[in-house]
Amino acid sequence: GAVVSQHPSWVICKSGTSVKIECRSLDFQATTMFWYRQFPKQSLMLMATSNEGSKATYEQGVEKDKFLINHASLTLSTLTVTSAHPEDSSFYICSARDIRGTLGSSYNEQFFGPGTRLTVL
Amino acid sequence: AQKITQTQPGMFVQEKEAVTLDCTYDTSDPSYGLFWYKQPSSGEMIFLIYQGSYDQQNATEGRYSLNFQKARKSANLVISASQLGDSAMYFCAMREGPGAQKLVFGQGTRLTINP
Repeated sequence: GAVVSQHPSWVICKSGTSVKIECRSLDFQATTMFWYRQFPKQSLMLMATSNEGSKATYEQGVEKDKFLINHASLTLSTLTVTSAHPEDSSFYICSARDIRGTLGSSYNEQFFGPGTRLTVL
Repeated sequence: AQKITQTQPGMFVQEKEAVTLDCTYDTSDPSYGLFWYKQPSSGEMIFLIYQGSYDQQNATEGRYSLNFQKARKSANLVISASQLGDSAMYFCAMREGPGAQKLVFGQGTRLTINP
């Protein structure tokens, strides 16, 4: 249980195009999903917190108009990188939190997807 | 200011030896949680161990243990009897406040186990 998938696992696109990344909780319902970005040899940086049915909360310095997040259902959140540029090339990881916080242990209720590697040419 | 600090960019250890990965944190909230994750080259984040700020005992999970020194604000990960498969990036993370959801990660330590 507690599996989170991401699609695609990798994507290469031309500068100026938009790319959509999906994050799905496969066997549980997630009220909250998180989107992280990880540059090579660096740590994970939280971009935004996505709550089902409401607007995402973006971290300081993250452009909400560039990184569009939609959490339309309890099992799916999408991140769209609009007008992508080479500096947006990164590893994007999502995590999902169980609706009741009962999966896993009482504290490890955030489950990570396998990540999506984006390369913008 | 860094909330989570991992001062070891890289560690090299001989197989079967024990290894300690350092992590210090900074918070004024009395309620917080500390996590360690392993990230192999595939990129997935694997949860290893958790320590709550009110936990009286150090957390242990199989070969992993957490050396929690609250006064020093440190939460070092100890891996006993290291294996080749332990080679990976290791991240320390903190969640502040009761009911908080956000995780803040340290810079990570790349651990290499030599045969």
